Amino acid sequence: AQSVTQPDIHITVSEGASLELRCNYSYGATPYLFWYVQSPGQGLQLLLKYFSGDTLVQGIKGFEAEFKRSQSSFNLRKPSVHWSDAAEYFCAVGPNAGGTSYGKLTFGQGTILTVHP
Amino acid sequence: DTGVSQDPRHKITKRGQNVTFRCDPISEHNRLYWYRQTLGQGPEFLTYFQNEAQLEKSRLLSDRFSAERPKGSFSTLEIQRTEQGDSAMYLCASSPLRGALSLGTQYFGPGTRLTVL
Repeated sequence: AQSVTQPDIHITVSEGASLELRCNYSYGATPYLFWYVQSPGQGLQLLLKYFSGDTLVQGIKGFEAEFKRSQSSFNLRKPSVHWSDAAEYFCAVGPNAGGTSYGKLTFGQGTILTVHP
Repeated sequence: DTGVSQDPRHKITKRGQNVTFRCDPISEHNRLYWYRQTLGQGPEFLTYFQNEAQLEKSRLLSDRFSAERPKGSFSTLEIQRTEQGDSAMYLCASSPLRGALSLGTQYFGPGTRLTVL
């Protein structure tokens, strides 16, 4: 069964500092990986995704993530955090069939990001 | 592209009542998904449709839950005889079957927050 682990429930950083959110997945085949962000009371917004090719993917709002197959990880990074980045971040994995994904996503439990001024 | 819309955004009901939620996917998206998110957790898959066909149902979807997508466009999720444990955010997402850049990506609506008293 597929699963996603986000080891950090809550992270606090100062504005302007760098950020790394961890994500480890368990999946029997080539995964399709996503990072979503959720502001309080809102739906999820896609930040970036990976399904093949370059293992470093760029997303919106200055975020990037690196896929490391050997470590089963897909960590999210940002070099300089802005106060508006405060939100909850979810890593998700889905089945990858030749570059398309079908069916359900399995999400981690999320990491809440707090940004201090 | 107007995004995925959900109605209502909030619903408060008494235990034992029936409730119905509606989801309008992005136009021409063939796949439509329902997820449930409880406080402090990531979304959990409930069910998904490809056009009118319901292709997968989670074991979370008890017989009190039913979902339909009669014309392959909007979808409804009905919960009969609601219980306090049904209180959650119900999220809808849609994805296209074609389009290299967006293939496999699920776009989420704002969710319907259900409170069962």
